[in-house]
Amino acid sequence: GNSVTQMEGPVTLSEEAFLTINCTYTATGYPSLFWYVQYPGEGLQLLLKATKADDKGSNKGFEATYRKETTSFHLEKGSVQVSDSAVYFCALSRSNAGNMLTFGGGTRLMVKP
Amino acid sequence: DGGITQSPKYLFRKEGQNVTLSCEQNLNHDAMYWYRQDPGQGLRLIYYSQIVNDFQKGDIAEGYSVSREKKESFPLTVTSAQKNPTAFYLCASRGQTEAFFGQGTRLTVV
Repeated sequence: GNSVTQMEGPVTLSEEAFLTINCTYTATGYPSLFWYVQYPGEGLQLLLKATKADDKGSNKGFEATYRKETTSFHLEKGSVQVSDSAVYFCALSRSNAGNMLTFGGGTRLMVKP
Repeated sequence: DGGITQSPKYLFRKEGQNVTLSCEQNLNHDAMYWYRQDPGQGLRLIYYSQIVNDFQKGDIAEGYSVSREKKESFPLTVTSAQKNPTAFYLCASRGQTEAFFGQGTRLTVV
């Protein structure tokens, strides 16, 4: 079946540090890949997505590249801010599985001033 | 504004009671989903519906029930059979390319 594995948190960084959150997946076929962000007490917001191999999703300084050869979709940001503190979820969906999202366990990011 | 609305934001239930969580969307999406989130954990799929009057069990459907009588609405009932209902519940709807989430309902058993 489909599964998503993320690095466990929390990840604690100082402001302006470089961020990487690893995400790997298991799926047959060609899933779409997503990163969602959850701020405290709120629902999830789509951060970025990629629908095919070698696509790069980007938004608000965050980037992730769909790597089919390594089945990975690592999230990166060159310079984090305190306001980036949140929980980040990697997810995949497959069109022949009802477009259901399968989520990783989430990674909490804490950015200190 | 288009979006997905969950209510209430906080809900308290006594043991042995059924409670219903509301989820409404005005995005004209066919697919809707209910997820459960426990502290420090990821999201687990409870039920999903791809079309009106049809729904399917997800990974942890026991103790829950849903209905999909209208395209806009996908209420979740947490029954007394759910032994550990305290959690954060998230509803989502999905269009062609991405899913949108509500703000969640935090259910606590008292």
